[in-house]
Amino acid sequence: IQLTQSPSSLSASVGDRVTITCRASQGIGRDLGWYQQKPGKAPELLIYGASTLQSGVPSRFSGSGSGTDFTLTISSLQPGDFATYYCQQFNNYPLTFGQGTRLEIK
Amino acid sequence: QLQLQESGPGLVKPSETLSLNCTVSGGSVSSRNYYWGWIRQHPGKGLEWIGSVFYNGDTYYSPSLKSGISISVDTSKNQLSLSLNSVTAADTAVYYCTGHRGMTRPFDSWGQGTLVTVSS
Repeated sequence: IQLTQSPSSLSASVGDRVTITCRASQGIGRDLGWYQQKPGKAPELLIYGASTLQSGVPSRFSGSGSGTDFTLTISSLQPGDFATYYCQQFNNYPLTFGQGTRLEIK
Repeated sequence: QLQLQESGPGLVKPSETLSLNCTVSGGSVSSRNYYWGWIRQHPGKGLEWIGSVFYNGDTYYSPSLKSGISISVDTSKNQLSLSLNSVTAADTAVYYCTGHRGMTRPFDSWGQGTLVTVSS
């Protein structure tokens, strides 16, 4: 299953609301997760089951969608949110990731 | 809380075998609640799932990499391991060990990653 994220990169300012989309090549129900990766660090799980916030993740992060179309929204960007974000499906083998969305400071 | 730590050589020669270990603390590789996996990231690129293993030895490999891969658990050392045969420069990547609560669950625990360079 291919996952296509858009945009591939995004410039935004602190306080902005941003949305990243992830489209699956076939339906995956709600078997989708979102990860944040900062330079030189391992990815961290933000959201699973399309919309369930991982423990400890701030509530400004939210996810939605099902089937083939999903979104990650950050309601009010904080300085620590500038990173690369990946979606990942765990509905079918092989487990696959989107190509990533790099969120940069404007 | 689970902690995972990769270890192994940072430099491997082409055609040789890449071998990495991952030591798990705060949990057991014998747990029926977790699968253990390996993910790699080529320099400046995205994430690629390599494969996963369950405590009983059941393995799941990426079809694109299945040839030459072996993932296993060592319960005596509380470790998982990765072996990749006949490596090429294309196998140069940061390798992460991970934990996930099922094959239909996300990767909720990650090691810090280890860079492996394939070069003569």
